Amino acid sequence: AQSVTQLDSQVPVFEEAPVELRCNYSSSVSVYLFWYVQYPNQGLQLLLKYLSGSTLVESINGFEAEFNKSQTSFHLRKPSVHISDTAEYFCAVSLSGGYQKVTFGTGTKLQVIP
Amino acid sequence: EAGVAQSPRYKIIEKRQSVAFWCNPISGHATLYWYQQILGQGPKLLIQFQNNGVVDDSQLPKDRFSAERLKGVDSTLKIQPAKLEDSAVYLCASSLGQGLADTQYFGPGTRLTVL
Repeated sequence: AQSVTQLDSQVPVFEEAPVELRCNYSSSVSVYLFWYVQYPNQGLQLLLKYLSGSTLVESINGFEAEFNKSQTSFHLRKPSVHISDTAEYFCAVSLSGGYQKVTFGTGTKLQVIP
Repeated sequence: EAGVAQSPRYKIIEKRQSVAFWCNPISGHATLYWYQQILGQGPKLLIQFQNNGVVDDSQLPKDRFSAERLKGVDSTLKIQPAKLEDSAVYLCASSLGQGLADTQYFGPGTRLTVL
């Protein structure tokens, strides 16, 4: 079975500073990887996903994540954060191919400090 | 397009009582999911429907939880009787298909407190 680890439960960062939210997964077979964001008092939204192809995936609001098979990682990065990025971010993994359920990490709360 | 609707948004009950949650997915979405998100944890899949059939209910505590999706549209999740450890946010999501290329869209959730 697959699993995902988000070691940082909270990450405070000053506005306009860069940020990296770490995600490591465990699986012996090919995986799909996802980042979801949950803004305060809102539902989860898909931020970006890696299914195949280019290992670098980008979202429309400036976040990017790189699939690193050798490191079994899928860290989320943004070069300059904004107050509006304050939210909880969940990394998720699923085995590739056919139906496979998604397993979520415990989440990382990003707090952007003005 | 309208998003995934859930009701109620909040519910407080005492242990051993029963409770039901309702979810209306995005129109045309064949797949519906119920997740349980306990405070400090990530969402955990309870049950997944493809139209009105169950695809995966391996993590549903079937002695107290039940779910149905009559007519393949909206769905209800019931807990009977509730325990203290059932306190959580219950999330409903839907997707067009059941492949992982199909994005899951989440509702706002129902926050359940069991006293």
